[in-house]
Amino acid sequence: DIQMTQTPSSLTASVGDRVTITCQASQDIRNYLNWYQQKPGKAPKVLINDASSLATGVPSRFSGGGSGTEFTFTISSLQPEDFALYYCQNYRHFPTFGGGTMIEIK
Amino acid sequence: QVQLQESGPGLVKPSQTLSLTCTVSGGSVSSGSYYWTWIRQPAGKGLEWIGHIYTSGNTKYNPSLKSRVTISVDRSRNQFSLRLSSATAADTAVYYCARSPYYMSVAGPGAFDIWGQGTVVTVSS
Repeated sequence: DIQMTQTPSSLTASVGDRVTITCQASQDIRNYLNWYQQKPGKAPKVLINDASSLATGVPSRFSGGGSGTEFTFTISSLQPEDFALYYCQNYRHFPTFGGGTMIEIK
Repeated sequence: QVQLQESGPGLVKPSQTLSLTCTVSGGSVSSGSYYWTWIRQPAGKGLEWIGHIYTSGNTKYNPSLKSRVTISVDRSRNQFSLRLSSATAADTAVYYCARSPYYMSVAGPGAFDIWGQGTVVTVSS
């Protein structure tokens, strides 16, 4: 299995802050990485495809980067609706997910 | 637009088989190039890919669950199903069905673009 290590597991931030989450793969996954947002009681929603491509309809304040084993996910200016859980997902072999990052309101 | 809806028992006894169905509406399980997938999430924990069935009928399972999992498709009902045998408390989770398009780059699934709302399954006597 390819293990995905996501950091931090949680963070506290304010509206308007810039936040970055990191995802590390246990082996090279090129750019085969997606990012999801999950709100309480809801299914995840894909935000970023192929490490850096914004999914359809996703606001431009969300961005992703990286390749190989190190990836980042950034929200440039946190909005109230962005407080949620975020996951990375690799699809190099079979899909595996990071442990998640909860973004909470300060 | 395509929508997915999970259904099945919310309570399963230990050692019995957990069975769920995902009904596809607004599209067909038999057309296009898609991976029809099951993913689960224990309460307060992360997501685990269980396995998928491709449009062609080919299946692939998570190695950690492979000995207990069967995913099948009923094309006449436009549904696909999950069976997980010998259930234990560790199988208690929210179970999601989801869809991924075929990704040429990996000759396999990529991002899960459509999800069901999820269904809670508890394994308990």
